[in-house]
Amino acid sequence: KNQVEQSPQSLIILEGKNCTLQCNYTVSPFSNLRWYKQDTGRGPVSLTIMTFSENTKSNGRYTATLDADTKQSSLHITASQLSDSASYICVVILTDSWGKLQFGAGTQVVVTP
Amino acid sequence: DVKVTQSSRYLVKRTGEKVFLECVQDMDHENMFWYRQDPGLGLRLIYFSYDVKMKEKGDIPEGYSVSREKKERFSLILESASTNQTSMYLCASNNNGGHEQFFGPGTRLTVL
Repeated sequence: KNQVEQSPQSLIILEGKNCTLQCNYTVSPFSNLRWYKQDTGRGPVSLTIMTFSENTKSNGRYTATLDADTKQSSLHITASQLSDSASYICVVILTDSWGKLQFGAGTQVVVTP
Repeated sequence: DVKVTQSSRYLVKRTGEKVFLECVQDMDHENMFWYRQDPGLGLRLIYFSYDVKMKEKGDIPEGYSVSREKKERFSLILESASTNQTSMYLCASNNNGGHEQFFGPGTRLTVL
């Protein structure tokens, strides 16, 4: 069983609307959590990084939250644009010598006009 | 900007063939990684390297080997390709202590 679970698996939203993606993790101890965006046919690119002591972090229209007690994170996309169509991957960085990454399976977001 | 390049975007091979996937990074990073990405499973680590000629097994090393003869280049080798190795292969790199990994565009390998 994957130690990083994301939901929903996919969603379709209208351009201009907001959406929230969820990430639940069981892996520990961890040093920080990242959200990556992966466009079709490209490698993942980091959107945000949060340490276990941070509750929220924004990057433009993307806002990530983290509750280290319940081991949940969310990524909120505000006023979605067509370019937001991508897979969003939650990644937990383990506290070990080299920072091993534990990946979620991703949420596929499709923004329609 | 960090640039990680992979030798092929798409590759089609036959069962039993030897397959080489090449990855090059231009930022003098110490660490390099090979992942495979399959629907519903997320990225899984095959091998990584923290220095030239050094390699460590990841979570799913079976059926793969790697080579790092130069700091900027990390190769993934499938000695005898099988159909269950059909997948997207992603290379990444970072510096020691740098948790962000920078990814290449991926190679979609199909084994017939």
